[in-house]
Amino acid sequence: AAGVIQSPRHLIKEKRETATLKCYPIPRHDTVYWYQQGPGQDPQFLISFYEKMQSDKGSIPDRFSAQQFSDYHSELNMSSLELGDSALYFCASSIDRNNEQFFGPGTRLTVL
Amino acid sequence: AQKITQTQPGMFVQEKEAVTLDCTYDTSDPSYGLFWYKQPSSGEMIFLIYQGSYDQQNATEGRYSLNFQKARKSANLVISASQLGDSAMYFCAMSPDSSYKLIFGSGTRLLVRP
Repeated sequence: AAGVIQSPRHLIKEKRETATLKCYPIPRHDTVYWYQQGPGQDPQFLISFYEKMQSDKGSIPDRFSAQQFSDYHSELNMSSLELGDSALYFCASSIDRNNEQFFGPGTRLTVL
Repeated sequence: AQKITQTQPGMFVQEKEAVTLDCTYDTSDPSYGLFWYKQPSSGEMIFLIYQGSYDQQNATEGRYSLNFQKARKSANLVISASQLGDSAMYFCAMSPDSSYKLIFGSGTRLLVRP
């Protein structure tokens, strides 16, 4: 069965650089969620999109932005990277908003 | 406040035995979903089981079952016949209908002993 695809899987950036993470949801899933998991932490919700519209916003820094495109894939743009942004970034997708969320393998971002 | 509490940072279980991972939740939403995810050392988040707040019966998925006690606001995960491959971090999560985002607990690290 098709799963959520995230790219890249690993990313190393310097402080103050920018990064773009991509997420391709499971086919026919219309809702995408982004989560950030710091070392030894539980995942924290950043932002979600339903039918290409932002549906909820969590603890996402102003330096981050995201969108969902017409083909339902989503991109998380991160600017002015800080050391504290080093984390595992998950994208998850679901059919509609009130169903199980299936997670991608994550993008491990390291900021040096 | 909406919160998930997992009070067991780490647990051991002998291979082939059953184990219960505790989870309590707090929400004022009348409708919500409860989830369990497994995170092996490789990092991926694997969906295990789902329980809706209005479901009358406890959810089961193979060796996983969710012991849902609504009045106590608990949603414990029971893993039967533990296998070495069950060693991982387990997260309980809640999705209130008012927002649909997942709110995670701090996780329980399970180690299955041979």
